[in-house]
Parts: sequence; C-alpha cells; structure tokens
Amino acid sequence: ELKVEQNPLFLSMQEGKNYTIYCNYSTTSDRLYWYRQDPGKSLESLFVLLSNGAVKQEGRLMASLDTKARLSTLHITAAVHDLSATYFCAVVDNNNDMRFGAGTRLTVKP
Amino acid sequence: DSGVTQTPKHLITATGQRVTLRCSPRSGDLSVYWYQQSLDQGLQFLIQYYNGEERAKGNILERFSAQQFPDLHSELNLSSLELGDSALYFCASSVVPNTEAFFGQGTRLTVV
Repeated sequence: ELKVEQNPLFLSMQEGKNYTIYCNYSTTSDRLYWYRQDPGKSLESLFVLLSNGAVKQEGRLMASLDTKARLSTLHITAAVHDLSATYFCAVVDNNNDMRFGAGTRLTVKP
Repeated sequence: DSGVTQTPKHLITATGQRVTLRCSPRSGDLSVYWYQQSLDQGLQFLIQYYNGEERAKGNILERFSAQQFPDLHSELNLSSLELGDSALYFCASSVVPNTEAFFGQGTRLTVV
C-alpha cells in the first residue's frame, strides 16, 4: 500500500528565512502534486511534478521530484507571512492510487 | 474558484441521522474523489469514481456510501451519524483518474 510521509508536520519560521519540506513515499511513482490549504479553506493546487528531476518554481516556492529516491521537496525562499498555510503532497503510484501526506503546517512569524 | 461545487457548505445534524453531501465536478472532469478532513486524522481518502463507476476505495466506513450519476455529479451519503463523523468533507475532480485534482470548498459537517 502506498504510504506518503511528510516532514516536518509543523514548521515555525521567521520571515526572510529559507526552509525545506520533505515528502517521502513508499512505492514507485512518477506523479506528485503539491497543494496549499489555508485554515478553514479548500486545497489549492500549487505544483504538478510528472517526471524524475522535475523542478517547478512559483514565487518563493520551488518543488522538485526525485523518483529514484522517492522524494519530493518543497523549498521556501525568504519566507513571508503570506506563505503561512498547510502544505500537502499527494502521490500517485503505478496502480493509479493517489494518497496525500499528513500535511505540513507552516507558520511564518515576523 | 476551482469550478468544483459542493453543497451544502455547512450542515448541523444530530447523532443517528443521515445526510447527503453533493458535488458537481468541473466541466469536463470525469473523475470525482471524496475526502474527509478532521483535526486528528488529517486528509483521509474515502472513495473515487470515474465516469460513473467506483474506481478506488479508501478508509470509507460501511455507514457511508457514494455514487456518481450519469451527469457526473456525485453524492456522499452518511448514515447513523456519530459525533466522530464531524469533519470537513471535500470533493475533488480531475479529467481522468489521478491527474491534477481540483477541490471544492468543502462541506463542514457538525454532528451534535
């Protein structure tokens, strides 16, 4: 069964700092998605990563995928308060089953 | 706006009751997913449909059932409700299974 692990689950960081969120998964996959969720709101699609070595960037966020290591990272550069949210990765395995990680709750403090 | 519509937005009901949550996917999307999000359990996959057929089942209780209709909208039926069923229920849709999914605004269910 596909297992998806994110870490850290909680992240408190200061504005201007850099940090990385990790998403590990247990089976072969070449499709991974990152979502953002604001408190009490829906999930918003951030990145779609479809191949080994894929890298996508949007503003202060950059996501990458290493299918051999079964690892995706979401890197935050020079964090700002507006980035405070919960970030989820979702992985699709070769059986076409999609599972979400537990989420990383990010708080950016001034 | 993702294009996925869920109704109702909020629902308060008593234990033992039955409710139906409704989801209209984005235009052109054939696949629908249901998720439950509670504070202690995170985002739990319940069930997935593709073009009217059940495609994958997750941690869905026997008291819960769902279906996708010919017009592609979907309903999630929750019966014999318990306090622990209180959660946000999300519907998501995608063009085909397990491609990029777009989420509705959710239905917040409170069981009292």
